[in-house]
Amino acid sequence: AQSVAQPEDQVNVAEGNPLTVKCTYSVSGNPYLFWYVQYPNRGLQFLLKYITGDNLVKGSYGFEAEFNKSQTSFHLKKPSALVSDSALYFCAFSRGSARQLTFGSGTQLTVLP
Amino acid sequence: DSGVTQTPKHLITATGQRVTLRCSPRSGDLSVYWYQQSLDQGLQFLIQYYNGEERAKGNILERFSAQQFPDLHSELNLSSLELGDSALYFCASSETTGHQETQYFGPGTRLLVL
Repeated sequence: AQSVAQPEDQVNVAEGNPLTVKCTYSVSGNPYLFWYVQYPNRGLQFLLKYITGDNLVKGSYGFEAEFNKSQTSFHLKKPSALVSDSALYFCAFSRGSARQLTFGSGTQLTVLP
Repeated sequence: DSGVTQTPKHLITATGQRVTLRCSPRSGDLSVYWYQQSLDQGLQFLIQYYNGEERAKGNILERFSAQQFPDLHSELNLSSLELGDSALYFCASSETTGHQETQYFGPGTRLLVL
């Protein structure tokens, strides 16, 4: 079955350090991959997406993601973490006739001051 | 602010009851998706409407139904509620239904069934 996996439930990083939130995919054909962030008691906010083209995708709030076809990965990165980046991050892919999103299990990112 | 609105923000009800959740998509968006977020099931796609017509169903129970009205707002109806229906229900909208489309999410309705 097609899916995305987020192997880490929790990621802790010190403020100012680079951060990586991992996502791997198992999707046939051309994958359409997305990253969303969920702050406490808020809806999901779109960060970035990979459709085609450049493997490095730049998104909102200084985040970027690298699409790696050989490793079937789409890791989310940021050069310097902020305490305000602490949130729940979801990787997703678009599938089906309705293009509905299928989400990973989420990764709780905590940036320590 | 994504431009997608959902009401109510919170809903507390009893088992066996029926509730209606409302969603207004972003201006110009024709497609509305409903998702459920629960601790045990994670984020799951329920159903999608496009310009008033149902397009796809996901893991939606028979006790649940939805519709999209001519003004493009959508309602999700949950009936014969059970404790396990307690969850956060999100609505998302997109302009069309292409793979490249970004879905923009509303703030959600938190449902608690007692």
